[in-house]
Amino acid sequence: ETGVTQTPRHLVMGMTNKKSLKCEQHLGHNAMYWYKQSAKKPLELMFVYNFKEQTENNSVPSRFSPECPNSSHLFLHLHTLQPEDSALYLCASSQDNEQYFGPGTRLTVT
Amino acid sequence: GESVGLHLPTLSVQEGDNSIINCAYSNSASDYFIWYKQESGKGPQFIIDIRSNMDKRQGQRVTVLLNKTVKHLSLQIAATQPGDSAVYFCAENDPQGGKLIFGQGTELSVKP
Repeated sequence: ETGVTQTPRHLVMGMTNKKSLKCEQHLGHNAMYWYKQSAKKPLELMFVYNFKEQTENNSVPSRFSPECPNSSHLFLHLHTLQPEDSALYLCASSQDNEQYFGPGTRLTVT
Repeated sequence: GESVGLHLPTLSVQEGDNSIINCAYSNSASDYFIWYKQESGKGPQFIIDIRSNMDKRQGQRVTVLLNKTVKHLSLQIAATQPGDSAVYFCAENDPQGGKLIFGQGTELSVKP
């Protein structure tokens, strides 16, 4: 247990669906992150929030919409996704340099 | 999409042997480095870190070596066990961007 939880752990959705991924950290950290992990590729940073403010959007398509209502919670809203968006979506939090990761949501877009 | 022919580097070792996993980093200004372990179905877990003012750091059964001259990082695992089987990532901290940049990863397989 790293102190970062993610739900759901697995998600299958059609291209016309709308769904949301949730992340919660119990570590009192100020920064939260969304990463995409595709097979055989390095982790791709998607979004960064510091003190609830978005500080990084790494050229992510608008069909991914993050929300950070407070320093402990982070959401990723999904709509009209494409099959190539199928991947493991990881949430992380940090106070300094070291990032603590959640277990990820395995997303399959059909 | 994925690059055709892209393969994750793999390392296969016998149980009880020592393992060495290597990583080349890109930014000579990076000031902090981390090794993560990712088991199947799980998120990456912190193993050990090192700051750029050091060249070696030891943990329990693991040692990280940093060679800034050639921008090379290595992770040594002593007496490798089946539970060490996982993908290992290095990450460098970009002090300007304030974010971690991850390597591709190496898959370690331990044979009993």
